[in-house]
Amino acid sequence: DVKVTQSSRYLVKRTGEKVFLECVQDMDHENMFWYRQDPGLGLRLIYFSYDVKMKEKGDIPEGYSVSREKKERFSLILESASTNQTSMYLCASSSSGRWNRAKNIQYFGAGTRLSVL
Amino acid sequence: KQEVTQIPAALSVPEGENLVLNCSFTDSAIYNLQWFRQDPGKGLTSLLLIQSSQREQTSGRLNASLDKSSGRSTLYIAASQPGDSATYLCAVANFYNNNDMRFGAGTRLTVKP
Repeated sequence: DVKVTQSSRYLVKRTGEKVFLECVQDMDHENMFWYRQDPGLGLRLIYFSYDVKMKEKGDIPEGYSVSREKKERFSLILESASTNQTSMYLCASSSSGRWNRAKNIQYFGAGTRLSVL
Repeated sequence: KQEVTQIPAALSVPEGENLVLNCSFTDSAIYNLQWFRQDPGKGLTSLLLIQSSQREQTSGRLNASLDKSSGRSTLYIAASQPGDSATYLCAVANFYNNNDMRFGAGTRLTVKP
């Protein structure tokens, strides 16, 4: 089974702090994603990465950055946390379809609920 | 820009009922459509994926249909059980960039014993 692990289930941070959210997948997937989920808004894509050191902005990248130094790990960084970044953050991974693996099915982690006070 | 809508936002049914959840999307140029389940405070679990060339997919008591021309998908749940209580989300992948997925806000289903 695919496993996507997010390092923290709950985080409480203060305004202005630098925050790191970590995500690790064990299926050698090429693609990894960071979403945030807010009530009534569904999931919105922050960033995604299709290879090591590669990244693309999603719909709401402002205030966030990402790092992918190793294939299995994708980190989301809040450079200076603000209260409007209080949300549920979800990481996902998927195969690009090489090696005949199921393409495009996204597997999600359990989520990190971040509160910024 | 693709817009995905799920109506109703919440649904409550007695155990044993068959039910249908609805998903509509504005742009028919899709790569595929997925239905996910999300339990409270948890991540998403993929239930069914329908490729753009398919009309439906089935898994156990779940059946998902896709009508691209009308921009609609339905998730049919047969003989509902309390354990089916969760939020169900649909997501549509862009035909030209299948990593670009648009999610609906979900339907929160409660199945009462």
